[in-house]
Amino acid sequence: AQTVTQSQPEMSVQEAETVTLSCTYDTSESDYYLFWYKQPPSRQMILVIRQEAYKQQNATENRFSVNFQKAAKSFSLKISDSQLGDAAMYFCAYRSARGIWGAQKLVFGQGTRLTINP
Amino acid sequence: SAVISQKPSRDICQRGTSLTIQCQVDSQVTMMFWYRQQPGQSLTLIATANQGSEATYESGFVIDKFPISRPNLTFSTLTVSNMSPEDSSIYLCSVADRSYEQYFGPGTRLTVT
Repeated sequence: AQTVTQSQPEMSVQEAETVTLSCTYDTSESDYYLFWYKQPPSRQMILVIRQEAYKQQNATENRFSVNFQKAAKSFSLKISDSQLGDAAMYFCAYRSARGIWGAQKLVFGQGTRLTINP
Repeated sequence: SAVISQKPSRDICQRGTSLTIQCQVDSQVTMMFWYRQQPGQSLTLIATANQGSEATYESGFVIDKFPISRPNLTFSTLTVSNMSPEDSSIYLCSVADRSYEQYFGPGTRLTVT
């Protein structure tokens, strides 16, 4: 079974600075997807960024980028120019590419609570 | 992207009672997922609901405790039966679309007293 580990329960960063959240995962599969989700106090889960395992290029979405190291099974999230609105719980998640399309479940890490200091 | 609504948004229930949570999606989807998020914890999949067939439950979750209905391609319900304080959690409905992204409803915060 796949597992996802986030070793940083809490992180804090000064506004406008850069922060990196860590995530490692364990799988025997070669084809899969990795995600970072943000959950603010409103509870709504928001997709931040997605990475396909077959793509070597790291995904980027505006101020958010990932460092995907497939051999090391590492998938970190870098947030540049941190803003107060980035404060939230961040979850790393894994999804297999095998099986019935659309039926694959997400496996989540424990989460990292990110605080932005003004 | 899919827009998902859930009812109720929150509820406080007494031990031994049951609560049914509704999930409505604005487009037809094959699979719907129900997750549980216990206080301060991560999300754990309860079951996957496919229209027209029995839901598939994850290890540790049983149909008698968490019966699920999936009457059509845009709607599902999750019932939390014979509740105890340990069932106090956020329950989230989720769907996957053809862009390989998975979307979540706003969640239902359940408190059992």
